[in-house]
Amino acid sequence: AQTVTQSQPEMSVQEAETVTLSCTYDTSESNYYLFWYKQPPSRQMILVIRQEAYKQQNATENRFSVNFQKAAKSFSLKISDSQLGDTAMYFCAFMKQAQGGSEKLVFGKGMKLTVNP
Amino acid sequence: GAGVSQSPRYKVAKRGQDVALRCDPISGHVSLFWYQQALGQGPEFLTYFQNEAQLDKSGLPSDRFFAERPEGSVSTLKIQRTQQEDSAVYLCASSLDRVRVLYSGNTIYFGEGSWLTVV
Repeated sequence: AQTVTQSQPEMSVQEAETVTLSCTYDTSESNYYLFWYKQPPSRQMILVIRQEAYKQQNATENRFSVNFQKAAKSFSLKISDSQLGDTAMYFCAFMKQAQGGSEKLVFGKGMKLTVNP
Repeated sequence: GAGVSQSPRYKVAKRGQDVALRCDPISGHVSLFWYQQALGQGPEFLTYFQNEAQLDKSGLPSDRFFAERPEGSVSTLKIQRTQQEDSAVYLCASSLDRVRVLYSGNTIYFGEGSWLTVV
């Protein structure tokens, strides 16, 4: 079974600064996908960024980038130029590349990020 | 609508009552997922449909939980004889199809959830 661990329950950062959210996972799979989701108070999960395990290049999406260390099973999210709207819960998630059946997401417990003005 | 729609948004049920939660996925989306999110936790997988076929129900916590998607679009999650530990947000998600999820950068879209409180 796969597990996802987010060891920091809460972080805060000043507006315009950079923050890094950590995530580790455990799996015996070789092909899989990793995700960061943002969950504002409305509870809707919004995809921030995804990484395919077979790609060596780290994914980037505007102000968001990841540091994917496959051997260490680490997948951290860096948010640059933090904005007030980044305040939310952030969840790291794992999906194995299934040959059949469902591509279910396995989530960590989440981390509350607060961006202060 | 443009997104995944869930109803009711909020439900208070007395212990022992049956509840039904509805999910209207994005039009044309083949895959549909249900997740349960307890307070302070990440979402946990309940069940998965591909069109009308329920291919994975390994996450359903007990036989009190039942899900269906009879015509391959709208889905209903039913909880019988609710108990306090069923209190959670129930999230529905959909995606276009399996191949697109994995290879095209398309993604799983979530609804805003149904908040269930059992008193």
